[in-house]
Amino acid sequence: SQQGEEDPQALSIQEGENATMNCSYKTSINNLQWYRQNSGRGLVHLILIRSNEREKHSGRLRVTLDTSKKSSSLLITASRAADTASYFCATTPSGSARQLTFGSGTQLTVLP
Amino acid sequence: NAGVTQTPKFRVLKTGQSMTLLCAQDMNHEYMYWYRQDPGMGLRLIHYSVGEGTTAKGEVPDGYNVSRLKKQNFLLGLESAAPSQTSVYFCASKESAGIEKLFFGSGTQLSVL
Repeated sequence: SQQGEEDPQALSIQEGENATMNCSYKTSINNLQWYRQNSGRGLVHLILIRSNEREKHSGRLRVTLDTSKKSSSLLITASRAADTASYFCATTPSGSARQLTFGSGTQLTVLP
Repeated sequence: NAGVTQTPKFRVLKTGQSMTLLCAQDMNHEYMYWYRQDPGMGLRLIHYSVGEGTTAKGEVPDGYNVSRLKKQNFLLGLESAAPSQTSVYFCASKESAGIEKLFFGSGTQLSVL
């Protein structure tokens, strides 16, 4: 079963606009990661936020984490056509010997 | 520095045939993973390894076997391929238990007819 679920499944915006994607998960986590996947390629790590953190920034990316609501959001500011990709959240559940679990992804299209 | 390399990139099998997918990493990572990606379902973990000579089952292990005889290589085998195993397969690795960032290969597109 999947731990994380992204919302929306697909998002289309104009270049320069901001894109927000959400991730909800079911169980307690140690941390949450966001990955990007360009068409036909492997996933690339974007950012990790730990369970004791509420917000994290990396360049044009901003990630928030609300453990009480079991949700996270990824904001991409000033989007570019090159940001067109699928974005996945991945969670590491609390407890030992638990492996990373991926959500089903959000397909972002940035129109030039 | 090649990172994570998967071979082959594409393969078509007939039902009942067998094949092995090879994953190689040159980063001296301890952990290696095999995932499958199907439309609308994200990535699901098949098998993983926490070090040379070790393997463990993931979420969807049935129909697959793995081996990690060398630290840098992780092999995924299909003994008798079925159409339900048509998917894109990704290998990933990470440095150690305390490091969560995964590095992915570029994938293998497998079709079973």
